[in-house]
Amino acid sequence: GAGVSQSPRYKVAKRGQDVALRCDPISGHVSLFWYQQALGQGPEFLTYFQNEAQLDKSGLPSDRFFAERPEGSVSTLKIQRTQQEDSAVYLCASSLLGSGRALDIQYFGAGTRLSVL
Amino acid sequence: EDQVTQSPEALRLQEGESSSLNCSYTVSGLRGLFWYRQDPGKGPEFLFTLYSAGEEKEKERLKATLTKKESFLHITAPKPEDSATYLCAVPTSGTYKYIFGTGTRLKVLA
Repeated sequence: GAGVSQSPRYKVAKRGQDVALRCDPISGHVSLFWYQQALGQGPEFLTYFQNEAQLDKSGLPSDRFFAERPEGSVSTLKIQRTQQEDSAVYLCASSLLGSGRALDIQYFGAGTRLSVL
Repeated sequence: EDQVTQSPEALRLQEGESSSLNCSYTVSGLRGLFWYRQDPGKGPEFLFTLYSAGEEKEKERLKATLTKKESFLHITAPKPEDSATYLCAVPTSGTYKYIFGTGTRLKVLA
């Protein structure tokens, strides 16, 4: 399919483990966003990439969270030493344009549900 | 501080019973407002973008409107398949961040 793909769909981690969440955006999309969505809440912004450049990481909750998009396509969100409060759905979205120039529709993946025990 | 508030949190309607969802925002220099629909276990799906006060957009049973302080999503004669969580979102000024509301969970009963 041509949509945003995220893997794994579900991840169970023991507290203290490191996890890596993958996002495959729509081909050719310049912008890529990561969001965290707690149960019953709206998505909360984590970070933004324009191609391979991480232009905004103001939403990352701690230095345990790290994101990269080295070749301007696939992105990985890494969480080190996971804590119970990290349990949430992590959503990835991509959009065609760079956000600095124009507003653009964000296309979301189905998310990765992370449970930290 | 930029903020987006949605109401009600949850809404139950009978099939055919029209209603409106509200999204209030406080953002300096609004550049636009987005409405998304989210089904359980899925990511949000785009519905509308509104750019300026007075603008309206329609799609099937949905109509979105925008004023200087809030946006409404009007649902006319809803069907059970309209059941979902409806989210609004605004881009903040000066950053790449988007702020989402907590959503309205809509349930339409047959």
